[in-house]
Amino acid sequence: QAGLTQPPSLSKDLRQTATLTCTGNSNNVGNQGATWLQQHQGHPPKVLSERNNNRPSGVSERFSASRSGNTASLTISGLQPEDEADYYCLAWDSDLTAWLFGGGTKLTVL
Amino acid sequence: DVQLVESGGRLVQPGGSLRLSCLASGFNFRDFGMNWVRQAPGKGLEWVAHISGNTGSIYYADSVKGRFTISRDNAKNSLYLQMKSLSGADTAVYYCSPLVRDYWGHGTLVNVSS
Repeated sequence: QAGLTQPPSLSKDLRQTATLTCTGNSNNVGNQGATWLQQHQGHPPKVLSERNNNRPSGVSERFSASRSGNTASLTISGLQPEDEADYYCLAWDSDLTAWLFGGGTKLTVL
Repeated sequence: DVQLVESGGRLVQPGGSLRLSCLASGFNFRDFGMNWVRQAPGKGLEWVAHISGNTGSIYYADSVKGRFTISRDNAKNSLYLQMKSLSGADTAVYYCSPLVRDYWGHGTLVNVSS
């Protein structure tokens, strides 16, 4: 099954802004939207943004999600050391009847 | 508080079988489709299987189709994954989650090795 495409890595300076992308197609991201998850080493994933781009309770306002066509984006402003983690996008594919994860982006905060 | 507790993972030989369980609490389990997601060591997240709240819809990733069976018992707030013909490629931490809510357990480790 085809997945969602994410850049494998991204490095940004402390207090800068990082934008992570996730590209799918009209059957998944373009139709259903994407969920964004953060995962620190050795821990389960945590949802930062749901498919409707809403943040779950307790998630910092520094995290904001958007979508343009078949590409979803997660913007993290004012980067902090604790933002260094792996970030995954997730979308339901209505054609494949399957959940798809992106390959993940490893964010390094310099 | 929402809790998802996975169990059943262990060391198993190639070709063997294993049954994972996930016990849910703190939310209306029967109202949610549930999924198994796995993560091989040092790798990304991979969706494995989905079952709807009323068990009417079941879907599998191609990598496990024909070998894994997902099921649930809403009376026991429990989700299951029966796995057979296991290989090293199935070695991973297995999580249960509805995926439409931020509900995750800590996972259970399945290690397929001789």
